[in-house]
Amino acid sequence: NAGVMQNPRHLVRRRGQEARLRCSPMKGHSHVYWYRQLPEEGLKFMVYLQKENIIDESGMPKERFSAEFPKEGPSILRIQQVVRGDSAAYFCASSPTGGTSYEQYFGPGTRLTVT
Amino acid sequence: GDSVTQMEGPVTLSEEAFLTINCTYTATGYPSLFWYVQYPGEGLQLLLKATKADDKGSNKGFEATYRKETTSFHLEKGSVQVSDSAVYFCALSSGGYQKVTFGTGTKLQVIP
Repeated sequence: NAGVMQNPRHLVRRRGQEARLRCSPMKGHSHVYWYRQLPEEGLKFMVYLQKENIIDESGMPKERFSAEFPKEGPSILRIQQVVRGDSAAYFCASSPTGGTSYEQYFGPGTRLTVT
Repeated sequence: GDSVTQMEGPVTLSEEAFLTINCTYTATGYPSLFWYVQYPGEGLQLLLKATKADDKGSNKGFEATYRKETTSFHLEKGSVQVSDSAVYFCALSSGGYQKVTFGTGTKLQVIP
């Protein structure tokens, strides 16, 4: 059973460009979470999605950031008009269902560098 | 809101030394508690978890006990190895679904 897949692993964008980060959850998992890790910091929750639904986006910046998890295909985190402060590692996690006792399985992350 | 506080690093230990990384939390209700480990350049891996008071999570020689009275979940290992060098994150989830709140991480370096 393959783990959580993220691509690309490394992404370099110039200021003002768009960044698209992809996450394929583990087989059978219908819940996806995105986190951001700034250098030397812990992970910060961004958004929680189920298929075709955003459940909680309280950690998402109000502008330039969006996320989706379509019926078919991977979850996408999209950052428009990137700025240097967006440089970070973005981690996706998945779980088979909600509920506090189910641990999340993390992908290897996408390291975004904005030049 | 929920929060996790863990001891600042880096922590440097000699091989076979005893490890304690302190973690305390603030949460509404009865959270589940986790320790995750992150090796350089990799994502997070679940190390252990506890879902109710007095539960002890254990894995690979690491242990942590869910202490509701002190709101703590300290990580311990009796004899660390060089391969344990990593960043350790204490975390919790609560509120009916699994939005996880992480501490800032503690970097552990074990020297031979």
